[in-house]
Amino acid sequence: EAGVAQSPRYKIIEKRQSVAFWCNPISGHATLYWYQQILGQGPKLLIQFQNNGVVDDSQLPKDRFSAERLKGVDSTLKIQPAKLEDSAVYLCASSLDRGRYTFGSGTRLTVV
Amino acid sequence: GIQVEQSPPDLILQEGANSTLRCNFSDSVNNLQWFHQNPWGQLINLFYIPSGTKQNGRLSATTVATERYSLLYISSSQTTDSGVYFCAVPTQETSGSRLTFGEGTQLTVNP
Repeated sequence: EAGVAQSPRYKIIEKRQSVAFWCNPISGHATLYWYQQILGQGPKLLIQFQNNGVVDDSQLPKDRFSAERLKGVDSTLKIQPAKLEDSAVYLCASSLDRGRYTFGSGTRLTVV
Repeated sequence: GIQVEQSPPDLILQEGANSTLRCNFSDSVNNLQWFHQNPWGQLINLFYIPSGTKQNGRLSATTVATERYSLLYISSSQTTDSGVYFCAVPTQETSGSRLTFGEGTQLTVNP
């Protein structure tokens, strides 16, 4: 079974620029999550999709972050404009029926 | 919201030693997951364990839901076991299945 694919692996941008991350979940997994992991901390949920609908975006900074999951498969997460405090690893995960999670390798974002 | 506490925060072992990591949570949960984050940042799901005991090779986990804790046992540790171990439980506040993660246990296994 193929895992959760994410790209890019690394990204360095200047503050106030925009950036986008891509995620392809495990085939058949209806639930997709985006987590943010700041260095030295556990991951924190940004947004959860069930198929192509948003289930939980209560911790998403909506003034600068947006995400979509067209056709209930791939998803993109965008930050515009980026701030220094957005430097983190952005992790995508998927699960079947909101159960056991499988994470992708993550995108390490550095904002300078 | 639910609180998750892990102990110890750091652990250094010699190869071959055994260890126990603990996860306490503040409210009743219907599932708990243990993850290993390797030095390259990849999060690997070790166990999905709402209650009881599960074993996978040198690793085993026990969750006592009624007492709100879970334990992860690592036997005959190897250098490849190094990394951060997280436990995570669902946050009940919303209709989703958002996981709340603990702060992790940083494990270093020396040869």
